[in-house]
Amino acid sequence: EVQLVESGGGLVKPGGSLRLSCAASGFTFINAWLSWVRQAPGKGLEWVGRIKTTTDDGPTDYAAPVKGRFIISRDDSKNTMYLQMHSLKTEDTAVYYCATAVYGFFDYWGQGTLVTVSS
Amino acid sequence: DIQMTQSPSSLSASVGDRVTITCRASQSIDTYLNWYQQKPGKAPKLLIYAASTSNLQSGVPLRFRGSGSGTDFSLTISSLQPEDFATYYCQQSYSTPFTFGQGTKLEIK
Repeated sequence: EVQLVESGGGLVKPGGSLRLSCAASGFTFINAWLSWVRQAPGKGLEWVGRIKTTTDDGPTDYAAPVKGRFIISRDDSKNTMYLQMHSLKTEDTAVYYCATAVYGFFDYWGQGTLVTVSS
Repeated sequence: DIQMTQSPSSLSASVGDRVTITCRASQSIDTYLNWYQQKPGKAPKLLIYAASTSNLQSGVPLRFRGSGSGTDFSLTISSLQPEDFATYYCQQSYSTPFTFGQGTKLEIK
């Protein structure tokens, strides 16, 4: 059974940093393309970025609002993807989901972790 | 970026009704169009990928039907069941940044 479990969310002040983790099981992680998708309170879904496998060209892509501030990485030895977030803004407040996304659609999702950026 | 526009934004219907949600892309995306269902407090769930009913995600009931290509797409739910009342999103996977429609909230009349 595919499982994705996010962790690391919490309250952070504007300008601060936070790292989210997505622990995966039930599939061959090393071959998987993965994405982060977020949802602000009461709002729709927004793609944040994706990471391909370590052998693919151009391994990461980001949405414009987070490019230069967020970094997606992976540790295949731990079956875990990360989202390092810097220079956080109040508008980054959202539930952050990780999802598998090899063909660009998101077939498996985690339960999400809430990030609140507030002073 | 490719903009995705869903209509309607909200919809009231009764159990047993047939409803259709439409999604329009700002440029042609072939059939790189996916549909999700989301219930309150839960992660989205993939219903249909690559636009068509023939690509129904495993476990999704056959009353969910997808169609379209190019810029215009639709999701039809025939004979609504109580568990179908939720918010539905379309998403294009033609090119990054991947983008979603704003959502259609399906409520019980």
